[in-house]
Amino acid sequence: DTGVSQNPRHKITKRGQNVTFRCDPISEHNRLYWYRQTLGQGPEFLTYFQNEAQLEKSRLLSDRFSAERPKGSFSTLEIQRTEQGDSAMYLCASSFLGNEQYFGPGTRLTVT
Amino acid sequence: QQQVKQSPQSLIVQKGGIPIINCAYENTAFDYFPWYQQFPGKGPALLIAIRPDVSEKKEGRFTISFNKSAKQFSLHIMDSQPGDSATYFCAASEPSGYALNFGKGTSLLVTP
Repeated sequence: DTGVSQNPRHKITKRGQNVTFRCDPISEHNRLYWYRQTLGQGPEFLTYFQNEAQLEKSRLLSDRFSAERPKGSFSTLEIQRTEQGDSAMYLCASSFLGNEQYFGPGTRLTVT
Repeated sequence: QQQVKQSPQSLIVQKGGIPIINCAYENTAFDYFPWYQQFPGKGPALLIAIRPDVSEKKEGRFTISFNKSAKQFSLHIMDSQPGDSATYFCAASEPSGYALNFGKGTSLLVTP
């Protein structure tokens, strides 16, 4: 399968713990995006990388959130001191230069 | 605020019917308008996309109609099948091409 992959698929954590998600984009895609989707809503943009450079961050990305894309390959999204409001599906997408973004299956986060 | 407004919230059609989902936007800088299909527990899958230089685009049973002056676009699904039952999202982005702005989604049920 050469699509976008995300791990883990599900994560349950207690409030206050740190969590980290990984995204592996489609090979040769130089753009990588993170979105958050809550129940009954469309995905909301969080941040965007072109190669290893993080070029844009949404105001939704609080100081507790950090994303990296070392060497312009896979990316990680870390949430520190999780809160119940962080419970959501975290989606990763990738594209090659243009607009067509291909999404992974997502990581479902539940904060108890 | 929601930059792309989508309607209806839910839709039920019989097999063979033609469901129509509508979206409207205000930002005239938007120049890329994709539609995504999402099944429960999965990431959104790109169905079809259009740019403002054309008024209609067809791919298989899916058609996008675009009205630039009205700032509206819609998705038509021809000869709908029960397997088309899913949530559909419209989106839009600016020429800089990174953040997709999604509608809230339409839950489609196609009955046998």
